[in-house]
Amino acid sequence: DIQMTQSPSSVSASVGDRVTITCRASQDIGTWLVWYQQKPGKAPNLLIYLASSLQSGVPSRFSGSGSGTDFTLTISSLQPEDFAVYYCQQAQTFPLTFGGGTKVEIK
Amino acid sequence: QLQLQESGPGLVKTSETLSLTCSVSGGSISSTDYSWGWIRQPPGKGLEWIGHININYIGGTYYSLSLRGRVTISVDKSRSQVSLKLNSVTAADTALYFCARYSDSTGCFDPWGQGTLVTVSS
Repeated sequence: DIQMTQSPSSVSASVGDRVTITCRASQDIGTWLVWYQQKPGKAPNLLIYLASSLQSGVPSRFSGSGSGTDFTLTISSLQPEDFAVYYCQQAQTFPLTFGGGTKVEIK
Repeated sequence: QLQLQESGPGLVKTSETLSLTCSVSGGSISSTDYSWGWIRQPPGKGLEWIGHININYIGGTYYSLSLRGRVTISVDKSRSQVSLKLNSVTAADTALYFCARYSDSTGCFDPWGQGTLVTVSS
C-alpha cells in the first residue's frame, strides 16, 4: 500500500493567517493527489484534485501544489469557515489511501 | 444535482453481516466516467477506503486488502442503488460509513452522502 503522511497533525492559526499543510507519499504518485476538507459531523468536501486543480465552487484562497511524493495544500488567508480537518488521498493505485488528517484550529 | 443517501441498520451484532444501501438521485448511476465507492471513518479517526465499483467494466470492483474476503459492493441499476455488505463484523468495524461517486479520470470522491453510523456490539 502507498502510505500517505500528513504534517502537521494539527495547527493553530488565526483568521487571516497563511496556512500550509504537507502530504508525503511513500512512493511516486505523480499528480494523483486529492485534498478534502471535513467539518465535524459532516462528509468530506472535495477541494483540490490532480494535486493542483481547484474544484468548482471552492474559494481561490485554497491552492495545491506538488508532484511525485511531496504535496502541499495552502490556505492563503484563513477564514472562520476554514477551521476543519483536512485530508489528502492518493489515487495513483489501489488500494486508495488517505493521510491521517490535519486539524486546523483557532488560535 | 447529484445526491447520495446512505441507509441501513445503525446497530449490528458481532459476527453478523453489515448491510448498507446508497440511493443515488439527480443523475445516472450508469455513467461510464464514474465509479461508486464506500469509505468509512471510525469515531474520532481518519478516513478508510473500503472499495468501489464501476458497473461498466467486467471485473471493475476493487476492495481494500484488509477487508477483502469480507466485503462485497454491488449495484442495482433499476433502483439506482449501491450496496455494501461486510460480513463477520467486530467492534473494529464500528464507523461512520459514507458512499461517494468516484471519478476515474481525476481520482477523487465527489459528491459524498451524509454518512450513516454503524455500531457493532454483542
